[in-house]
Amino acid sequence: EPEVTQTPSHQVTQMGQEVILRCVPISNHLYFYWYRQILGQKVEFLVSFYNNEISEKSEIFDDQFSVERPDGSNFTLKIRSTKLEDSAMYFCASSEQGSEGYTFGSGTRLTVV
Amino acid sequence: GENVEQHPSTLSVQEGDSAVIKCTYSDSASNYFPWYKQELGKRPQLIIDIRSNVGEKKDQRIAVTLNKTAKHFSLHITETQPEDSAVYFCAARSNDYKLSFGAGTTVTVRA
Repeated sequence: EPEVTQTPSHQVTQMGQEVILRCVPISNHLYFYWYRQILGQKVEFLVSFYNNEISEKSEIFDDQFSVERPDGSNFTLKIRSTKLEDSAMYFCASSEQGSEGYTFGSGTRLTVV
Repeated sequence: GENVEQHPSTLSVQEGDSAVIKCTYSDSASNYFPWYKQELGKRPQLIIDIRSNVGEKKDQRIAVTLNKTAKHFSLHITETQPEDSAVYFCAARSNDYKLSFGAGTTVTVRA
C-alpha cells in the first residue's frame, strides 16, 4: 500500500533555530497538507497546498512558517525561528481528490529546547 | 470556518460491548465526514468515512451514521476488542483544502 513518508522521525532543535521537515507524498496525489498535534491534543490544520501554491492556511501558519515543493516528489515545511510552543508532532498528508481519503505520514516529532 | 465538537473525551467499555462516539459540526456545507483511529505514538489512520448523500455506512464491526439536518454524525463500534483501544477522531470537510478535526475520544476496552 502506498505510504506518505516523513523525515526525520524526531528532531530536537534549539529555540530560534530553523528547521525543515520533509515529506514525500503518495506519487499520484495532488493535494498536500501539514497538520500538527501537540501532545494529547487534537490534530490541527496548518496549511494545504495544491497546484504549486498554498490553497488555505490556518492562523497558526504565520510568517514563521513556509512550505515548498522543491521538486516533483518532496513537500517541505520550514519553521524559520522555532519557539518552545512549536514542539509538537507534525503530520504531512496527501490526497488524490481534495480533502477526501487523506493518507497521513508517520509524523515528525519536533522538540524545541 | 468549520467547528467540530466531539463527545465523550474518554470512553471505557467492557470487551464485547458497544462504543458510540458522537460529533457535531457547524458548517452546513460540509459534505464529507471521515473517522480516524490513532494508536499511541502513531499516525491517524482512516477507518471509515461517509458522504453527505448517505445516512449510514457499515464496515464489519464499525458503522457511521449521519444526520444532516441536525448536523451530527456518530461512530459505532460493536463487539469491542482490546485492539480497538485507541484515540478516535472525527473530522468534517467543508472545502477541498482541509479537514477540521474533533478533539478526540480515548477509547479503552477492558478485558
